[in-house]
Amino acid sequence: DIQMTQSPSLLSASVGDRVTLSCKASQNIYKYLNWYQQKLGEAPKLLIYYTNSLQTGIPSRFSGSGSGTDYTLTISSLQPEDVATYFCQQYNSWPTFGAGTKLELK
Amino acid sequence: QVTLKESGPGMLQPSKTLSLTCSFSGFSLSTSGMVVSWIRQPSGKSLEWLAAIDWDGDKYYNPSLKSRLTVSKNTSNTQVFLKITSVDIADTATYYCARSERGAGYFDYWGQGVMVTVSS
Repeated sequence: DIQMTQSPSLLSASVGDRVTLSCKASQNIYKYLNWYQQKLGEAPKLLIYYTNSLQTGIPSRFSGSGSGTDYTLTISSLQPEDVATYFCQQYNSWPTFGAGTKLELK
Repeated sequence: QVTLKESGPGMLQPSKTLSLTCSFSGFSLSTSGMVVSWIRQPSGKSLEWLAAIDWDGDKYYNPSLKSRLTVSKNTSNTQVFLKITSVDIADTATYYCARSERGAGYFDYWGQGVMVTVSS
């Protein structure tokens, strides 16, 4: 199976900061990479699909990039409501998820 | 409006069979391309995809759990079921069902999840 490694596991940032979360696959996943946001006690919510496509209704401060094995989720200006855990997920083979990055306010 | 909702026993004993139901509305599993998956998440941990069934009745399983899993749907294409045999403490988790489309690979709608505890 394809292993997904996210870094960092915990990220502290201030409101207004530009935030970058990383996700690395154990092999080339050909941009078949999605990002989810999960707030405490809630189900995951799709943010970005196929590396850089913004899901309907998601604020434009969220963006994704990457290719091959390395992918990034960027929040251009962190807002208080962005506090959550973020998971990447590949679907080049059967779906697997990263361990998550917990984003908190500094 | 697409909604999904999971239901299950809440708690069961080790070695028993876990039966889960996903009831959904706003789409039909008879529509070409529709897929419903089961995904679980132990408390404080990451997500694990378990199984999926598509509009055509084709079934897909996580290879590491395949021998214990059975996914099915009802004839009216409004519910999906998951059975996990021989549960143990490691199966304690919140279980989600989620919708996707064949080839799209992303889960665009999720249920609220149902917590299942395996304990003697």
